[in-house]
Amino acid sequence: RKEVEQDPGPFNVPEGATVAFNCTYSNSASQSFFWYRQDCRKEPKLLMSVYSSGNEDGRFTAQLNRASQYISLLIRDSKLSDSATYLCVVNNREGTYKYIFGTGTRLKVLA
Amino acid sequence: DGGITQSPKYLFRKEGQNVTLSCEQNLNHDAMYWYRQDPGQGLRLIYYSQIVNDFQKGDIAEGYSVSREKKESFPLTVTSAQKNPTAFYLCASSIGTGTEQYFGPGTRLTVT
Repeated sequence: RKEVEQDPGPFNVPEGATVAFNCTYSNSASQSFFWYRQDCRKEPKLLMSVYSSGNEDGRFTAQLNRASQYISLLIRDSKLSDSATYLCVVNNREGTYKYIFGTGTRLKVLA
Repeated sequence: DGGITQSPKYLFRKEGQNVTLSCEQNLNHDAMYWYRQDPGQGLRLIYYSQIVNDFQKGDIAEGYSVSREKKESFPLTVTSAQKNPTAFYLCASSIGTGTEQYFGPGTRLTVT
C-alpha cells in the first residue's frame, strides 16, 4: 500500500460545481497535512495546511479524519482557474524531515 | 519579495557531464530540500538540510551531491553517476520540521 494515495482523476466538473477530493495515508503517526496546487509544468504551491478541527479558506475547505486516516479538500463554486493538479502531502514528525507526496488528483473545470 | 529562486529554468547537458543546479532563498528558513519529479510520480526527496553545514540523504540520493555553506543557498550537483538524470528538479524550504514547505520554480534538466 502506498504511503499516500490519491485518485488521479481527472475530475471534470462544470463551472460553479462543488467538488471534493480525498487522500488516504497509511502512517497513523503522521502529524502534519497539506494540500498543494500544481499547474502543468510549474512548481507546487501551498493551498492550505489541514488542521485537526478542519479549516476553511474562501471557497476551499480541508478536513482531517484521523480515525479513517484521510484528509479531504472541498472546492465550492469552482472556477475555470481552479483547473490544476491537487497534491496531498503528509509529514511524519518522528524526527525526520520527510514529507510524503501523493501523485495528485487532476481537476478540470469546464465552461 | 521573499521567496525561492532556482536557476536555470531549463538545462541541457550531454551524458557524462556533471551539472549544478542553483537554489537560493531569502525566507530565513532553516530547512531546505531537493526533490525530483517524474511524470506520473509523486515528488521524491533527494537531499535535505536542517542547518548550515549539515545535510542528509533522502530516498534517492545516489548520483547526487549537495552543499550547505550558507543558510540561503543549497546547490545540487547531478553527477554522471546518476543513471536517469532527466527530470524536473524542485527546491523547497521550510521553517522547521513538519511546517509548510515553499517551492522554487524548478529546473527542467534534460540529459542526452
